[in-house]
Amino acid sequence: QQQVKQSPQSLIVQKGGISIINCAYENTAFDYFPWYQQFPGKGPALLIAIRPDVSEKKEGRFTISFNKSAKQFSLHIMDSQPGDSATYFCAAGGNQFYFGTGTSLTVIP
Amino acid sequence: GAGVSQSPSNKVTEKGKDVELRCDPISGHTALYWYRQRLGQGLEFLIYFQGNSAPDKSGLPSDRFSAERTGESVSTLTIQRTQQEDSAVYLCASSPSARAGEKLFFGSGTQLSVL
Repeated sequence: QQQVKQSPQSLIVQKGGISIINCAYENTAFDYFPWYQQFPGKGPALLIAIRPDVSEKKEGRFTISFNKSAKQFSLHIMDSQPGDSATYFCAAGGNQFYFGTGTSLTVIP
Repeated sequence: GAGVSQSPSNKVTEKGKDVELRCDPISGHTALYWYRQRLGQGLEFLIYFQGNSAPDKSGLPSDRFSAERTGESVSTLTIQRTQQEDSAVYLCASSPSARAGEKLFFGSGTQLSVL
């Protein structure tokens, strides 16, 4: 059973636009929801994370929206830049972390 | 070193051979994780170690896979009798502890190709 479902698989956005990636999880015991960014040939790196006691967290151009009742959370990238082009993974868990299948984001200049 | 180090960075092997992958975590990090990333897919949890506790092996896909960790240092992931479906990038990550909220620091991975 896939613990975390992520969509879309790929996303193309114009420079300056908003990129939105969605995730849904199954286990209500999960209490930590990070997003990781991965560039080709590199390991994933933590981008931003949220706990279920808040509905939104913003860091610069990156915002996580969290809906506990729906068991969904999303990443919004405002004013998307070509340097944001990467694969993004959502994750959920506690001591173990389960990752989504990834979203390949391409920001067109 | 400053980050998580994995070796080798690339490994090509023949079907049926055994392989051993190595991970050097960040010094002082008590938690260590192994993930598998197949081409174009997400990260598949394999195993994690936390200090001297028994490792959580629930993600290991078969008994051909095993992992060990010496104290809070180096870990090795061993795949016996490799199969073509084992071809993937194997990622190691460490964190200061396995408490929720601890950031995972990933290595660059080992690209395993089974011919």
